Parts: sequence; structure tokens; C-alpha cells
Amino acid sequence: GQSLEQPSEVTAVEGAIVQINCTYQTSGFYGLSWYQQHDGGAPTFLSYNGLDGLEETGRFSSFLSRSDSYGYLLLQELQMKDSASYFCAVRTMNSGYSTLTFGKGTMLLVSP
Amino acid sequence: KAGVTQTPRYLIKTRGQQVTLSCSPISGHRSVSWYQQTPGQGLQFLFEYFSETQRNKGNFPGRFSGRQFSNSRSEMNVSTLELGDSALYLCASSRTVDNSPLHFGNGTRLTVT
Repeated sequence: GQSLEQPSEVTAVEGAIVQINCTYQTSGFYGLSWYQQHDGGAPTFLSYNGLDGLEETGRFSSFLSRSDSYGYLLLQELQMKDSASYFCAVRTMNSGYSTLTFGKGTMLLVSP
Repeated sequence: KAGVTQTPRYLIKTRGQQVTLSCSPISGHRSVSWYQQTPGQGLQFLFEYFSETQRNKGNFPGRFSGRQFSNSRSEMNVSTLELGDSALYLCASSRTVDNSPLHFGNGTRLTVT
């Protein structure tokens, strides 16, 4: 089966930079995605990495190393509104079937 | 355009009952997937539908079932409810079943007493 590991909680202050790591063990790896979920809300898509390297979208960047089965989400210039849960998710393709498996999430708490 | 709509928003049922949850995807999206979210367990994959066909199913008992209609709307059903079925059930739609981003609805909060 698939397994993903990410820290359960991270704390940081406004204006800082924080990195949320995600390691995975899977077969048929296709890509790594990141989703943000505010308390009581719907998860929203942040980024996708299909190839090794860094993808940048405004204050958020995501990195993937397929050889290390590792990725991270980098949040810069943290704002209070970034307090939320962040989920990494791996897309796998096996026997023609595609599955998106989520990690258990990292709760980010940004303080003033 | 309208986002993913899930109904009802909240539901309270008793053990042994059954429940049907509904999901209307974003217009033009043909893939619908369902996830169960419980505290500490993240989002657990239930099933995925594309063009009315179940493409994949997660590791849940047969009490959990679903279907997709020709207009891409989807329903999931849970029979013989158990206390452990209490969770937030999230529906997500996407254009295809590859690496397209998932667009989630606000979920249905099911409480089983």
C-alpha cells in the first residue's frame, strides 16, 4: 500500500519561512500534490510536482525529489491567514487505476 | 462558475440506519471522488467515478457504496451505520482522473449516535 509521513504540527511567527516535509513509500508514483484546509473548510489545491525540482506559486513553493521519495512545501512571508492544515498527496498509477492518497496533514499555527 | 456542492451539510443518524449523500461537481468535470475525513486520520479515499464508472475503490467495507449519474452528479450510500462512521465526507471533482487538481466541496458532516 501507500504511506506518507508528514509532521503533525508546525508553529511559526508572522513573516517567517516554514518548510513542511513529506516522505512517501509507494509504487506507481505519478506525482505529489499539496492541499490547504482551513478549519471547517474544504481542502484547496496549492501545487503539483510531477518532475523533480521546485515549483513556485507566489509565496508558496513545492519541491520534489523522486529518487529520495521526498517533497516539501515552503511557505514564505507567513501571514496569520496561513494558519491551516496542509496535506501532501501522492498520485499513483497501478494496473491502469489512478489513486490519490493523502497524508494525515500538518497543522500550521502562525502567531503574531 | 459554481463550485462543488454537497448536500446535506449536516446529518445526524442512529446506528443501523442508512444514509445517502449527494455531490454535484463543477460543470464540465467528469471525475468525482469521495473521501472520509476523521480527526488524526487525514483524508481516506473511498471511491472514484469517471463517466458513470467506478474507477477505483478504497479499503472500506461493502456498506459503503456509490454511483455516478450521466450528468456527473454522484451519490454515496452508507448502510447499517456504525458509530465509527461519524466523519466529514468530502466530495471532489476534477476534469480527468490523472493529475488534474481536485476541487473539493465543503463536505457533509455525518454524526452517528
